Amino acid sequence: SQTIHQWPATLVQPVGSPLSLECTVEGTSNPNLYWYRQAAGRGLQLLFYSVGIGQISSEVPQNLSASRPQDRQFILSSKKLLLSDSGFYLCAWGRQGDEQYFGPGTRLTVT
Amino acid sequence: GQQLNQSPQSMFIQEGEDVSMNCTSSSIFNTWLWYKQEPGEGPVLLIALYKAGELTSNGRLTAQFGITRKDSFLNISASIPSDVGIYFCAGPGYGGSNYKLTFGKGTLLTVNP
Repeated sequence: SQTIHQWPATLVQPVGSPLSLECTVEGTSNPNLYWYRQAAGRGLQLLFYSVGIGQISSEVPQNLSASRPQDRQFILSSKKLLLSDSGFYLCAWGRQGDEQYFGPGTRLTVT
Repeated sequence: GQQLNQSPQSMFIQEGEDVSMNCTSSSIFNTWLWYKQEPGEGPVLLIALYKAGELTSNGRLTAQFGITRKDSFLNISASIPSDVGIYFCAGPGYGGSNYKLTFGKGTLLTVNP
């Protein structure tokens, strides 16, 4: 069966500091990978997705970047965090045009 | 772009009551997905629907793929406190990338014991 991991689970970072969130998937190969952000409240905002190693599509121009160095690894980064980067970050994997499966999330607080 | 209108935005019910929520779209969907998100956790897929008119159950949950392919419904029977959470509808993108899902804004369900 497939499993998706995210770490860290929670993170408190000062404004201007760098960020690196990691997501890994087990039990499947060549998945589509996704990063979402969920602000306080409810909506899920798609940030990046990747259909293969080194292939990144950005949905929203912002202070973040993503990379996919390995087939089942997806990393979300920032060089300098802003207060507005606070939120709940969710990684997901899926197949073309079909279901997506979410990780447990990372709660980021920028102070 | 595509939008999914999900209603109601929130519901406050008593334990034991039945719950109904729905999702509508301005365009046709070929798949409807329903997720539940509990506080502090990632969304979990509850039910996936692939055919117009399809009715699928998962325990006390029942979801239907509308005949027009522009709507879907989720019902929860005999609610219990652990049903608390946010319920999202979602579907694959249409007319553009096949890799993305469009999500509704969610229905926040509170169950009073």
